[in-house]
Amino acid sequence: ETGVTQTPRHLVMGMTNKKSLKCEQHLGHNAMYWYKQSAKKPLELMFVYSLEERVENNSVPSRFSPECPNSSHLFLHLHTLQPEDSALYLCASSGPSGEDTQYFGPGTRLTVL
Amino acid sequence: AQSVTQLDSHVSVSEGTPVLLRCNYSSSYSPSLFWYVQHPNKGLQLLLKYTSAATLVKGINGFEAEFKKSETSFHLTKPSAHMSDAAEYFCVVSEKFSGGYNKLIFGAGTRLAVHP
Repeated sequence: ETGVTQTPRHLVMGMTNKKSLKCEQHLGHNAMYWYKQSAKKPLELMFVYSLEERVENNSVPSRFSPECPNSSHLFLHLHTLQPEDSALYLCASSGPSGEDTQYFGPGTRLTVL
Repeated sequence: AQSVTQLDSHVSVSEGTPVLLRCNYSSSYSPSLFWYVQHPNKGLQLLLKYTSAATLVKGINGFEAEFKKSETSFHLTKPSAHMSDAAEYFCVVSEKFSGGYNKLIFGAGTRLAVHP
């Protein structure tokens, strides 16, 4: 799990809090992804960044705000979340262009009270 | 549109017996297909990948999968299950985009239980 790291691994927050999830990849990849994994539901792609530009936003509520300051780092800023946002949030990366294998981080287990 | 169907939501085997996890896919072109494994409270780990070089793909931990175009299947097998194989397994198809990224379409997952 050293290729893609995520911090924190666990996060508990109230609905009025603001927090951020961090993802870092050490693989020299040029695309990064946020996924949400809820119990009993398939993995949901939330955002895609390619070459630091957001290329996909899959109808994610505005209370989730991604940021990709460079090709190695990806953030997910959280504010005024709802209890149904409790889930495992996974980060992945892929690249270079044409290589479609995605490598995943260990995830952040988020609980919204 | 591409899609993946995992035919079993739960599979239970005894340690030392063979494992078969079934997956069917739908794709309008020759796809990239993957199997990922997720152990409890962990991220997804790549088991193996098919890219048309060979129909029988060998992966980590003794797993392999066979691509059968005529049956649109990509079943995952292992000759002898180990207790550490207990996990959730995802069959995945990839859709490439010209912007240098791809989208993974996940199956619903198969939970493998291994009994002593």
